[in-house]
Amino acid sequence: GEDVEQSLFLSVREGDSSVINCTYTDSSSTYLYWYKQEPGAGLQLLTYIFSNMDMKQDQRLTVLLNKKDKHLSLRIADTQTGDSAIYFCAESSMNRDDKIIFGKGTRLHILP
Amino acid sequence: NAGVTQTPKFRVLKTGQSMTLLCAQDMNHEYMYWYRQDPGMGLRLIHYSVGEGTTAKGEVPDGYNVSRLKKQNFLLGLESAAPSQTSVYFCASGLAGVNEQFFGPGTRLTVL
Repeated sequence: GEDVEQSLFLSVREGDSSVINCTYTDSSSTYLYWYKQEPGAGLQLLTYIFSNMDMKQDQRLTVLLNKKDKHLSLRIADTQTGDSAIYFCAESSMNRDDKIIFGKGTRLHILP
Repeated sequence: NAGVTQTPKFRVLKTGQSMTLLCAQDMNHEYMYWYRQDPGMGLRLIHYSVGEGTTAKGEVPDGYNVSRLKKQNFLLGLESAAPSQTSVYFCASGLAGVNEQFFGPGTRLTVL
């Protein structure tokens, strides 16, 4: 079946940039997403990118998509303590009733 | 708007007992989903619904049943709970296309 892979942990110093990487297998992906989960809460959509785009910027967030390599990244500029959370990469395809496949999540830890 | 609500928030069951988890959304979304989240496994789709009166199996449907009698509600049933069903259960709702899913706060279920 289709799969989404991402590293499980990332530590970054406060004020630095965080880069979270993800790879996926479905070449028919329509949308790719980054969700954020804070402790004790459900997931919340941070940003998404359409599969025919290669970059999207939204304030401190930059999403890069390399469709050829099926690689997605999320860059958080000027990382703050409030950015500490689990970040899920995900993708959906019209071929699968738009069902979303999530990665296992990357836990972002902020160092003082 | 309450968004997506889930009841109960916590529950402890004994093996073999049954229970129903209720999800409600007030955003008039067509699509609704039930996921389970386990450590190191990310989110796995149990069942989903693309409209009132319809349901479909996800990645891990065994041991669960669902019903979508009203558009705003999506019920997840466990007929005979097993310890392997100890997990955090999330409900989500969304629209087709750009499938931004809105998540509830989760139900933490322990089966002894």
